[in-house]
Amino acid sequence: AQSVTQLDSQVPVFEEAPVELRCNYSSSVSVYLFWYVQYPNQGLQLLLKYLSGSTLVKGINGFEAEFNKSQTSFHLRKPSVHISDTAEYFCAVSDQGGSEKLVFGKGTKLTVNP
Amino acid sequence: DVKVTQSSRYLVKRTGEKVFLECVQDMDHENMFWYRQDPGLGLRLIYFSYDVKMKEKGDIPEGYSVSREKKERFSLILESASTNQTSMYLCASPTEAEMNTEAFFGQGTRLTVV
Repeated sequence: AQSVTQLDSQVPVFEEAPVELRCNYSSSVSVYLFWYVQYPNQGLQLLLKYLSGSTLVKGINGFEAEFNKSQTSFHLRKPSVHISDTAEYFCAVSDQGGSEKLVFGKGTKLTVNP
Repeated sequence: DVKVTQSSRYLVKRTGEKVFLECVQDMDHENMFWYRQDPGLGLRLIYFSYDVKMKEKGDIPEGYSVSREKKERFSLILESASTNQTSMYLCASPTEAEMNTEAFFGQGTRLTVV
């Protein structure tokens, strides 16, 4: 069974500062990795995903994440955040066996202050 | 665009009532999922379905049941609502490419049980 740990429940930053949201996973099989974003009072939207190939993955809104197999991590980064990036971010994992069941972390609430 | 539509954004129900949460997807997907989202707990899988009339329990099925009579519709049923079922409920339907790629989410139903 897979599990996901998001190390920070809340991350406050100032506008235009860089940000990193941390995610670690555990699994006995190969996995696919995802970051989803949830804006207030909305459902979840896919930000980016790692399926295979290059370990640096670029997503929407200027976000990127790096898959590190040895450290079982998939941290999300953005070099310069905007007020509009204020949202909750969820890391998720599914196994490559095709179960299509996503296991989510508990979420990180990013607050961007002016 | 894939659309996953949940019939209600907000619901208020009384303890003991039977509650139906409806979810419809328009992309002919076989797989559909119901999650529950609570602050600090992330998303937890309640039930999922791989095909019409097929269902499987997720991680927290107690107090819930589901119905999948048609491919596009997946209903979550609270047999006798209780206050600890006050939560945000999210329906999701993943794409079915060769590799597991992305789950599309509905806007969520915020249920309050009084």
